[in-house]
Amino acid sequence: SQQGEEDPQALSIQEGENATMNCSYKTSINNLQWYRQNSGRGLVHLILIRSNEREKHSGRLRVTLDTSKKSSSLLITASRAADTASYFCATGAGSYQLTFGKGTKLSVIP
Amino acid sequence: DSGVTQTPKHLITATGQRVTLRCSPRSGDLSVYWYQQSLDQGLQFLIQYYNGEERAKGNILERFSAQQFPDLHSELNLSSLELGDSALYFCASSDRRARSYNEQFFGPGTRLTVL
Repeated sequence: SQQGEEDPQALSIQEGENATMNCSYKTSINNLQWYRQNSGRGLVHLILIRSNEREKHSGRLRVTLDTSKKSSSLLITASRAADTASYFCATGAGSYQLTFGKGTKLSVIP
Repeated sequence: DSGVTQTPKHLITATGQRVTLRCSPRSGDLSVYWYQQSLDQGLQFLIQYYNGEERAKGNILERFSAQQFPDLHSELNLSSLELGDSALYFCASSDRRARSYNEQFFGPGTRLTVL
C-alpha cells in the first residue's frame, strides 16, 4: 500500500518556470526522500529531509516538510527540459525500507 | 550510474514459468532491497536483505523468494508466473553506515513480461 500521495499526478510547465510537487503521508516518519525516475529507468535519489528538519536545499531543489500536516513539497526552480521525469516521495520510518507514493509526472516544455 | 547492476535488462517468458533476477549492490553496501513497479500498484517494496539475512518483508507473494549470497549479490526468484507479474523489478542497495542513512541507490531494473 502507498504511504505517500503526490499531487498533482501530472504537471506540464514551460522551461524556466518553477515546478512544485506535493506529497502527503499517513503515519509517523523519521525521514522523507524525493526520487526522480526517467521513463522506464531506475530511480535517482534527489534529497533527504529528516523529521526534525523543516527545509532543505540542494542546487535548484528545495524541499519542505511539515510533520504536523504530514506533508512535504518539492520545488524545482528554473526548470529545464532535462527535468522531465516522474518524481516520487518516499518515507522511511525506523526500518530501512522505503514506502513510495505513486509519483508526479513532470513535463518541461522547451 | 548508481553502481548497482541488475541482469537481465529484459525478460520475456510464459505463464507458469520460473525466472531468476540478479542484483549486484554497490561496492561495500550490505543491504539489498527488491521493489516491484507496475502501472496499477506503483512502486512496492518486496523484501530486504542485510549481510545475507532477511531483514524485512513487504508485499511479496509466496511464489516469490529471494536470497543474498556471501559476496552480497542477491537473486529474486519468481515462480508460477502469472500475467499480473509483468512489471519492472528494481534492486536497490544502501549502507547503514552512510551519513545520509536510508538513502537507497537503485539499479536500472529488469523489465519482466509474462505472456
